Amino acid sequence: GQQLNQSPQSMFIQEGEDVSMNCTSSSIFNTWLWYKQDPGEGPVLLIALYKAGELTSNGRLTAQFGITRKDSFLNISASIPSDVGIYFCAGALSSNTGKLIFGQGTTLQVKP
Amino acid sequence: EAGVAQSPRYKIIEKRQSVAFWCNPISGHATLYWYQQILGQGPKLLIQFQNNGVVDDSQLPKDRFSAERLKGVDSTLKIQPAKLEDSAVYLCASSLGDSTNSPLHFGNGTRLTVT
Repeated sequence: GQQLNQSPQSMFIQEGEDVSMNCTSSSIFNTWLWYKQDPGEGPVLLIALYKAGELTSNGRLTAQFGITRKDSFLNISASIPSDVGIYFCAGALSSNTGKLIFGQGTTLQVKP
Repeated sequence: EAGVAQSPRYKIIEKRQSVAFWCNPISGHATLYWYQQILGQGPKLLIQFQNNGVVDDSQLPKDRFSAERLKGVDSTLKIQPAKLEDSAVYLCASSLGDSTNSPLHFGNGTRLTVT
């Protein structure tokens, strides 16, 4: 089946640093989504991207839908301790959001 | 707005036993999903309901897993009999509709351990 390759698998950074993570696929997606999951909780939507080339920001977070529609990246600027968690990319092959394919996740740890 | 409610939060059973999980979606959300998240992996869709009808259950292991949403609101997911590899977090999510403009809202999940 389709797979999303998310990298890096984990990151350990200093508070205040910028972070970048990305997701690639061999398939073309119509929608790219980025979620954050805290321990013991469900994923929470951070950013949704609907068009190739789209660049969207949400506070200190910025994400882009790749031109080829096979990749996406998420940047976090000026990281803070509460950014700690697991970040997942997810892609939708069709307009049906239920058919989300998730990446393996990037675990982010921030050192104060 | 109340979020997606799931129970129980944790469940430990022995292999070959049965288990059931319950989900109450956000009020008014027509679409409900069950995802399985194995430790260290992203969630994987098991089944999607639109109101009380099944839209997609292609990845549901139907020999042991079943799910229902009889009145188009609450849903239950059952495993019978459980296997060791079923150990995972089972996440329920809901959305207003089934288009890409209807974001999924996830519950906090039920963590199942099969021994």
